[in-house]
Amino acid sequence: AQTVTQSQPEMSVQEAETVTLSCTYDTSESDYYLFWYKQPPSRQMILVIRQEAYKQQNATENRFSVNFQKAAKSFSLKISDSQLGDAAMYFCAYNPRGAQKLVFGQGTRLTINP
Amino acid sequence: DVKVTQSSRYLVKRTGEKVFLECVQDMDHENMFWYRQDPGLGLRLIYFSYDVKMKEKGDIPEGYSVSREKKERFSLILESASTNQTSMYLCASSRQSLNTEAFFGQGTRLTVV
Repeated sequence: AQTVTQSQPEMSVQEAETVTLSCTYDTSESDYYLFWYKQPPSRQMILVIRQEAYKQQNATENRFSVNFQKAAKSFSLKISDSQLGDAAMYFCAYNPRGAQKLVFGQGTRLTINP
Repeated sequence: DVKVTQSSRYLVKRTGEKVFLECVQDMDHENMFWYRQDPGLGLRLIYFSYDVKMKEKGDIPEGYSVSREKKERFSLILESASTNQTSMYLCASSRQSLNTEAFFGQGTRLTVV
């Protein structure tokens, strides 16, 4: 069974600093998709960034970027120039190619200190 | 603006009651999902549906059932609510395509007393 592990239940960072959230996953598939979702205190989950496993280039969305290490099955999220609005729960998710459902990690609560 | 709407943000029900959680999406998505969110466990899939009247069990279907009579609506049913079903319930929808983004509702906090 595919599993996703986020080993950091909580993280904190100073405003304007950079923080990296970790995610590892276990799969025997070679082709799949990975996502980072953000759940602010208002609870509406939104997509932050996605990565396709067959692409070697790491995805980037403005201040958010990933470090995708396929051999190590690692998919970390880097947030640069942290802002107060980045405070949220962050979930890593895995989606095998051809499957419709997402497998989520346990989540990391990120606090931004002003 | 895309939307997934859950009928209630907060619900309090008694043990043994039959509970209906409703979810509606306005994006004409084929897939709809019900997840349960608990601290330290992340989101766990209860059921999902890839078409009207079609459903598949997720990882934790016990004690739950679902109904999808119309494409835009997906209901989660707790036949006889128990205290261990106290949780946050999230509905989501997505297109049936590769690398597709899932859109989530705002969640329903259910307390069973």
